[in-house]
Amino acid sequence: RKEVEQDPGPFNVPEGATVAFNCTYSNSASQSFFWYRQDCRKEPKLLMSVYSSGNEDGRFTAQLNRASQYISLLIRDSKLSDSATYLCVVNNDMRFGAGTRLTVKP
Amino acid sequence: NAGVTQTPKFQVLKTGQSMTLQCAQDMNHEYMSWYRQDPGMGLRLIHYSVGAGITDQGEVPNGYNVSRSTTEDFPLRLLSAAPSQTSVYFCASSFTGGNVDEQFFGPGTRLTVL
Repeated sequence: RKEVEQDPGPFNVPEGATVAFNCTYSNSASQSFFWYRQDCRKEPKLLMSVYSSGNEDGRFTAQLNRASQYISLLIRDSKLSDSATYLCVVNNDMRFGAGTRLTVKP
Repeated sequence: NAGVTQTPKFQVLKTGQSMTLQCAQDMNHEYMSWYRQDPGMGLRLIHYSVGAGITDQGEVPNGYNVSRSTTEDFPLRLLSAAPSQTSVYFCASSFTGGNVDEQFFGPGTRLTVL
């Protein structure tokens, strides 16, 4: 089993839709979690950190479920500009998931 | 600030050739790292450094060397290029460590080994 797994997608959603991605991890001792966004042929950029109590940044909500060992990213009211690949990152070893590709269509 | 810069942007090598990928940052970050990104594999850590003079291996270090003589620079050397090293290489830096801190990535180097 991979240490960090994501559904590769692609997720194709209409503008205004709500979409959620999960990222599962195998190391129960993992302490830190992040979501990065990567546009096509560009470098990854931090979207948000994931805190134990969950956190929100505008239309984006990140949550952590330690019991089931996954983190999630919820995007509300999707915009065309949200089209990208979303990478989760877990723990001290800086393990990246392979990414989930999102396409938001008009 | 220029942030994290990488050169070259593109490179084609023949099997057995050696080369150095350059990475520099002007944010006075202590932590720097190199990743490779392959389709369906995500980013994998090659080597990292927690400060000048200190380097350590990541998940996939074989075939690569690094050095950190200054805070600003963290070059990655391919000793004898192989087709399996065809990939996109990203350099990143952060103030402390990528496990607790935002990592800033360079624009990447697209390497093809024939």
